[in-house]
Amino acid sequence: DGGITQSPKYLFRKEGQNVTLSCEQNLNHDAMYWYRQDPGQGLRLIYYSQIVNDFQKGDIAEGYSVSREKKESFPLTVTSAQKNPTAFYLCASSTAFGEQFFGPGTRLTVL
Amino acid sequence: ILNVEQSPQSLHVQEGDSTNFTCSFPSSNFYALHWYRWETAKSPEALFVMTLNGDEKKKGRISATLNTKEGYSYLYIKGSQPEDSATYLCASSDWSNTGNQFYFGTGTSLTVIP
Repeated sequence: DGGITQSPKYLFRKEGQNVTLSCEQNLNHDAMYWYRQDPGQGLRLIYYSQIVNDFQKGDIAEGYSVSREKKESFPLTVTSAQKNPTAFYLCASSTAFGEQFFGPGTRLTVL
Repeated sequence: ILNVEQSPQSLHVQEGDSTNFTCSFPSSNFYALHWYRWETAKSPEALFVMTLNGDEKKKGRISATLNTKEGYSYLYIKGSQPEDSATYLCASSDWSNTGNQFYFGTGTSLTVIP
């Protein structure tokens, strides 16, 4: 089955801790994206990567970091510098034409 | 940042009614307009991608139109069914030398009452 997997589904973190969210795709897509959703808001772009070993900041990159060492993997680290990390995080990949496919999401809660 | 707006924010319709939603977006630097359907506890699912002014796409009872000159798109659902209940997201994408960025609206939440 081709698709995008995110793990874990639910994640709890203590304040001051870094945490890494996993995103893997086997669709052979070059582009991958991380979004954040908060209640009452649309999806906001955190980081995106058009190709391996390259990535760009989105609209709300502060307090986050990413890596793209492999085409199929785009992990997101939520650092202690992120002031309000509790949110729902969605990973996506897209075709060259721009059609996006989404993972099931990770809900992060900071205790 | 592109400002993409969707209306209404939520909608309740009776089974069998037809309905439509609006997505407005800045027409400058436009590349494509995307519609997604997002059911609770599932991933957003792509419905349509449209690029040309006047484009119309159809999938079953759902269709969409695009006006890039005035910056809006309509999504229509004919004869709504309870399984159509979901949040419908639109996104405008642009293209720059750093790649393809997507800007999402806040979505329209549709509830179809049996």
